[in-house]
Amino acid sequence: GNSVTQMEGPVTLSEEAFLTINCTYTATGYPSLFWYVQYPGEGLQLLLKATKADDKGSNKGFEATYRKETTSFHLEKGSVQVSDSAVYFCALITNTGNQFYFGTGTSLTVIP
Amino acid sequence: GAGVSQTPSNKVTEKGKYVELRCDPISGHTALYWYRQSLGQGPEFLIYFQGTGAADDSGLPNDRFFAVRPEGSVSTLKIQRTERGDSAVYLCASSLNPVDTQYFGPGTRLTVL
Repeated sequence: GNSVTQMEGPVTLSEEAFLTINCTYTATGYPSLFWYVQYPGEGLQLLLKATKADDKGSNKGFEATYRKETTSFHLEKGSVQVSDSAVYFCALITNTGNQFYFGTGTSLTVIP
Repeated sequence: GAGVSQTPSNKVTEKGKYVELRCDPISGHTALYWYRQSLGQGPEFLIYFQGTGAADDSGLPNDRFFAVRPEGSVSTLKIQRTERGDSAVYLCASSLNPVDTQYFGPGTRLTVL
Protein backbone atom coordinates (compact mmCIF):
# COMPACT_ATOMS: atom_id res chain seq x y z
CA GLY A 1 0.00 0.00 0.00
CA ASN A 2 0.84 3.67 0.02
CA SER A 3 2.13 5.43 3.11
CA VAL A 4 4.33 8.23 4.35
CA THR A 5 6.50 8.14 7.46
CA GLN A 6 7.94 11.33 8.79
CA MET A 7 10.16 12.30 11.63
CA GLU A 8 8.52 12.54 15.02
CA GLY A 9 8.31 15.93 16.60
CA PRO A 10 8.16 18.33 18.12
CA VAL A 11 11.36 19.97 16.91
CA THR A 12 12.72 23.08 18.60
CA LEU A 13 15.54 25.06 16.99
CA SER A 14 17.23 28.36 17.55
CA GLU A 15 16.96 31.00 14.86
CA GLU A 16 19.47 30.50 12.02
CA ALA A 17 19.93 26.82 12.80
CA PHE A 18 19.91 24.15 10.08
CA LEU A 19 16.69 22.18 9.68
CA THR A 20 16.12 18.64 8.47
CA ILE A 21 12.78 16.87 8.68
CA ASN A 22 12.98 13.30 7.45
CA CYS A 23 10.32 11.77 5.25
CA THR A 24 10.24 8.31 3.68
CA TYR A 25 7.51 6.76 1.63
CA THR A 26 6.06 3.53 0.32
CA ALA A 27 4.11 3.72 -2.89
CA THR A 28 2.81 1.77 -5.83
CA GLY A 29 3.53 3.26 -9.20
CA TYR A 30 5.40 6.53 -9.55
CA PRO A 31 4.32 9.01 -6.91
CA SER A 32 4.62 12.76 -6.80
CA LEU A 33 5.91 14.04 -3.47
CA PHE A 34 4.88 17.14 -1.58
CA TRP A 35 5.57 19.13 1.54
CA TYR A 36 2.65 21.07 2.98
CA VAL A 37 2.90 23.55 5.85
CA GLN A 38 0.27 24.55 8.37
CA TYR A 39 0.95 27.82 10.18
CA PRO A 40 -0.83 28.43 13.49
CA GLY A 41 -4.52 29.12 12.90
CA GLU A 42 -4.27 28.64 9.15
CA GLY A 43 -5.03 25.95 6.60
CA LEU A 44 -2.62 23.65 4.80
CA GLN A 45 -0.48 25.38 2.21
CA LEU A 46 1.70 23.81 -0.43
CA LEU A 47 5.37 24.45 0.37
CA LEU A 48 7.09 22.54 -2.43
CA LYS A 49 6.77 19.48 -4.61
CA ALA A 50 8.69 17.12 -6.89
CA THR A 51 7.07 14.94 -9.50
CA LYS A 52 9.84 12.55 -10.51
CA ALA A 53 13.02 10.98 -9.24
CA ASP A 54 15.98 13.33 -8.68
CA ASP A 55 13.78 16.42 -8.96
CA LYS A 56 14.40 19.06 -6.32
CA GLY A 57 11.53 21.17 -5.03
CA SER A 58 12.33 24.50 -3.44
CA ASN A 59 10.47 27.45 -1.98
CA LYS A 60 11.11 30.10 0.69
CA GLY A 61 14.60 28.70 1.33
CA PHE A 62 13.28 25.17 1.87
CA GLU A 63 14.45 22.30 -0.34
CA ALA A 64 13.67 18.62 -0.77
CA THR A 65 15.05 16.14 -3.28
CA TYR A 66 13.05 13.15 -4.54
CA ARG A 67 15.32 10.14 -3.90
CA LYS A 68 13.89 7.01 -5.43
CA GLU A 69 16.78 4.78 -4.32
CA THR A 70 16.14 5.60 -0.65
CA THR A 71 12.40 6.36 -1.07
CA SER A 72 12.92 9.63 0.72
CA PHE A 73 11.97 13.29 0.42
CA HIS A 74 13.69 15.01 3.35
CA LEU A 75 12.94 18.69 3.95
CA GLU A 76 15.89 21.01 4.60
CA LYS A 77 16.49 24.66 5.27
CA GLY A 78 19.88 26.22 5.89
CA SER A 79 18.83 28.93 8.31
CA VAL A 80 15.41 28.85 9.96
CA GLN A 81 13.51 31.92 11.13
CA VAL A 82 10.95 32.38 13.87
CA SER A 83 8.32 32.76 11.16
CA ASP A 84 8.99 29.17 10.03
CA SER A 85 7.34 27.85 13.20
CA ALA A 86 4.55 25.61 11.91
CA VAL A 87 3.56 22.00 11.38
CA TYR A 88 5.07 20.37 8.29
CA PHE A 89 3.41 17.48 6.45
CA CYS A 90 5.01 15.21 3.90
CA ALA A 91 2.58 13.73 1.39
CA LEU A 92 2.42 11.67 -1.77
CA ILE A 93 -0.01 11.06 -4.56
CA THR A 94 0.46 8.20 -6.98
CA ASN A 95 0.24 8.60 -10.73
CA THR A 96 -2.87 6.40 -10.71
CA GLY A 97 -4.45 7.63 -7.51
CA ASN A 98 -6.90 10.27 -6.46
CA GLN A 99 -5.92 10.96 -2.89
CA PHE A 100 -3.02 12.31 -0.92
CA TYR A 101 -1.37 10.14 1.68
CA PHE A 102 -0.06 12.32 4.47
CA GLY A 103 2.47 11.76 7.19
CA THR A 104 1.52 12.57 10.76
CA GLY A 105 3.14 16.00 10.68
CA THR A 106 6.19 17.45 12.41
CA SER A 107 5.79 20.48 14.61
CA LEU A 108 8.64 22.99 14.37
CA THR A 109 9.22 25.80 16.84
CA VAL A 110 11.97 28.30 16.17
CA ILE A 111 13.06 30.40 19.12
CA PRO A 112 14.86 33.74 18.84
CA GLY B 1 -8.24 34.83 -6.81
CA ALA B 2 -10.39 33.26 -4.14
CA GLY B 3 -9.17 30.08 -2.55
CA VAL B 4 -11.14 27.14 -1.24
CA SER B 5 -13.70 28.21 1.33
CA GLN B 6 -15.48 26.11 3.92
CA THR B 7 -18.42 26.84 6.15
CA PRO B 8 -18.98 26.84 9.00
CA SER B 9 -15.52 27.29 10.46
CA ASN B 10 -16.69 25.70 13.69
CA LYS B 11 -19.61 23.42 14.41
CA VAL B 12 -20.63 22.12 17.81
CA THR B 13 -23.38 19.53 17.90
CA GLU B 14 -24.80 16.90 20.18
CA LYS B 15 -24.37 13.19 19.79
CA GLY B 16 -26.98 11.76 17.46
CA LYS B 17 -27.59 14.96 15.50
CA TYR B 18 -27.20 15.50 11.76
CA VAL B 19 -24.64 17.96 10.37
CA GLU B 20 -23.78 19.38 6.97
CA LEU B 21 -20.40 20.85 6.09
CA ARG B 22 -20.00 22.95 2.97
CA CYS B 23 -17.05 23.38 0.62
CA ASP B 24 -16.70 25.94 -2.14
CA PRO B 25 -13.74 25.00 -4.37
CA ILE B 26 -11.57 27.22 -6.51
CA SER B 27 -13.47 28.21 -9.63
CA GLY B 28 -12.73 25.90 -12.54
CA HIS B 29 -11.30 23.09 -10.43
CA THR B 30 -12.95 19.87 -11.49
CA ALA B 31 -11.50 17.68 -8.75
CA LEU B 32 -12.69 18.04 -5.16
CA TYR B 33 -11.57 16.10 -2.10
CA TRP B 34 -12.67 15.72 1.50
CA TYR B 35 -10.23 14.78 4.25
CA ARG B 36 -10.55 14.41 8.01
CA GLN B 37 -7.78 15.49 10.37
CA SER B 38 -7.72 14.34 13.96
CA LEU B 39 -5.57 16.04 16.57
CA GLY B 40 -1.90 15.29 16.06
CA GLN B 41 -2.47 13.42 12.84
CA GLY B 42 -2.17 14.10 9.15
CA PRO B 43 -5.27 14.46 7.01
CA GLU B 44 -6.98 11.21 6.04
CA PHE B 45 -8.81 10.84 2.75
CA LEU B 46 -12.57 10.51 2.78
CA ILE B 47 -13.93 11.02 -0.75
CA TYR B 48 -12.98 12.39 -4.16
CA PHE B 49 -15.24 13.97 -6.78
CA GLN B 50 -14.44 14.41 -10.42
CA GLY B 51 -17.15 16.75 -11.65
CA THR B 52 -20.47 15.77 -10.16
CA GLY B 53 -19.70 12.14 -9.48
CA ALA B 54 -17.95 10.54 -6.53
CA ALA B 55 -15.04 8.83 -8.25
CA ASP B 56 -13.64 7.32 -5.06
CA ASP B 57 -15.47 7.12 -1.73
CA SER B 58 -13.29 4.42 -0.23
CA GLY B 59 -12.26 6.62 2.68
CA LEU B 60 -15.72 7.19 4.11
CA PRO B 61 -15.66 5.41 7.48
CA ASN B 62 -19.25 4.10 7.40
CA ASP B 63 -22.68 4.74 5.92
CA ARG B 64 -23.38 7.63 8.28
CA PHE B 65 -21.11 9.72 6.05
CA PHE B 66 -22.28 10.93 2.66
CA ALA B 67 -21.19 13.69 0.30
CA VAL B 68 -22.69 15.33 -2.77
CA ARG B 69 -21.60 17.73 -5.47
CA PRO B 70 -24.74 18.14 -7.57
CA GLU B 71 -23.56 20.84 -9.96
CA GLY B 72 -19.88 20.03 -10.07
CA SER B 73 -18.85 22.96 -7.90
CA VAL B 74 -19.96 23.29 -4.27
CA SER B 75 -19.89 20.10 -2.23
CA THR B 76 -21.62 19.17 1.00
CA LEU B 77 -20.40 16.52 3.43
CA LYS B 78 -23.25 15.10 5.46
CA ILE B 79 -22.92 13.17 8.69
CA GLN B 80 -25.91 11.42 10.21
CA ARG B 81 -26.30 10.34 13.84
CA THR B 82 -23.05 11.99 14.84
CA GLU B 83 -20.81 10.29 17.38
CA ARG B 84 -18.15 11.74 19.64
CA GLY B 85 -15.52 9.98 17.56
CA ASP B 86 -16.52 12.11 14.56
CA SER B 87 -14.99 15.15 16.24
CA ALA B 88 -12.16 16.37 14.00
CA VAL B 89 -11.26 19.05 11.49
CA TYR B 90 -12.84 18.33 8.12
CA LEU B 91 -10.78 19.63 5.23
CA CYS B 92 -11.79 20.23 1.67
CA ALA B 93 -9.34 20.55 -1.21
CA SER B 94 -9.64 21.13 -4.91
CA SER B 95 -7.34 20.73 -7.89
CA LEU B 96 -7.47 21.64 -11.54
CA ASN B 97 -6.85 18.06 -12.54
CA PRO B 98 -6.51 14.78 -10.67
CA VAL B 99 -2.95 13.93 -9.57
CA ASP B 100 -2.17 17.65 -9.40
CA THR B 101 -1.47 19.99 -6.53
CA GLN B 102 -4.42 20.17 -4.17
CA TYR B 103 -5.37 23.49 -2.60
CA PHE B 104 -6.87 23.21 0.85
CA GLY B 105 -9.55 25.19 2.58
CA PRO B 106 -9.24 26.35 6.20
CA GLY B 107 -11.32 23.44 7.47
CA THR B 108 -14.42 23.01 9.60
CA ARG B 109 -13.77 22.03 13.20
CA LEU B 110 -16.57 19.66 14.23
CA THR B 111 -17.10 18.96 17.91
CA VAL B 112 -19.63 16.34 18.94
CA LEU B 113 -20.60 16.59 22.59
